[in-house]
Amino acid sequence: EAQVTQNPRYLITVTGKKLTVTCSQNMNHEYMSWYRQDPGLGLRQIYYSMNVEVTDKGDVPEGYKVSRKEKRNFPLILESPSPNQTSLYFCASSPTSGLAGGQETQYFGPGTRLLVL
Amino acid sequence: AQKITQTQPGMFVQEKEAVTLDCTYDTSDQSYGLFWYKQPSSGEMIFLIYQGSYDEQNATEGRYSLNFQKARKSANLVISASQLGDSAMYFCAMREGGYSTLTFGKGTMLLVSP
Repeated sequence: EAQVTQNPRYLITVTGKKLTVTCSQNMNHEYMSWYRQDPGLGLRQIYYSMNVEVTDKGDVPEGYKVSRKEKRNFPLILESPSPNQTSLYFCASSPTSGLAGGQETQYFGPGTRLLVL
Repeated sequence: AQKITQTQPGMFVQEKEAVTLDCTYDTSDQSYGLFWYKQPSSGEMIFLIYQGSYDEQNATEGRYSLNFQKARKSANLVISASQLGDSAMYFCAMREGGYSTLTFGKGTMLLVSP
């Protein structure tokens, strides 16, 4: 089954304790992305990756790191989490389209609910 | 300026009625794509419908249709014959500039009553 998986699904942690949220896709997609969703703000992009070893900042990258060593995996790293990073996080992937009008949608993971105390 | 604007924080509709969720966008690109996603209370993001900037006809997918008015830069989602299961948050999103990145609106919460 084609899917994007995220782990963990739920996480409660304390300020300053490093954590990693894993993301994996089995569709051989080139493009992967991380979003955070907060009430009243919609989804905002944190980082994205066009291919292996190619990553770039989105709209809200502060406090996050990513890596793309393999095509299928795109972990999100919070080196020193703070309470303002409490959010719902989504990983997504899609085949890269050379045309902005291309209709390839992004496939979303199930989300990770993070609470930082 | 916001690239995607959804002006309706919440909408109510009765079962079996049609409802329109508004979305306006801002881009200077000629080639772009518009998407609608549904997010039920369980949290997952479900792709509903897509409209390309060069598509001459409005997109339709079952009970979902997209009212695309290019000159007004609007891409409203129309849900016909609403069902209780349509109660969810709905997001409009745009892809532009030759990249796969999506920019999302803030969403509209739709509640369908019996």
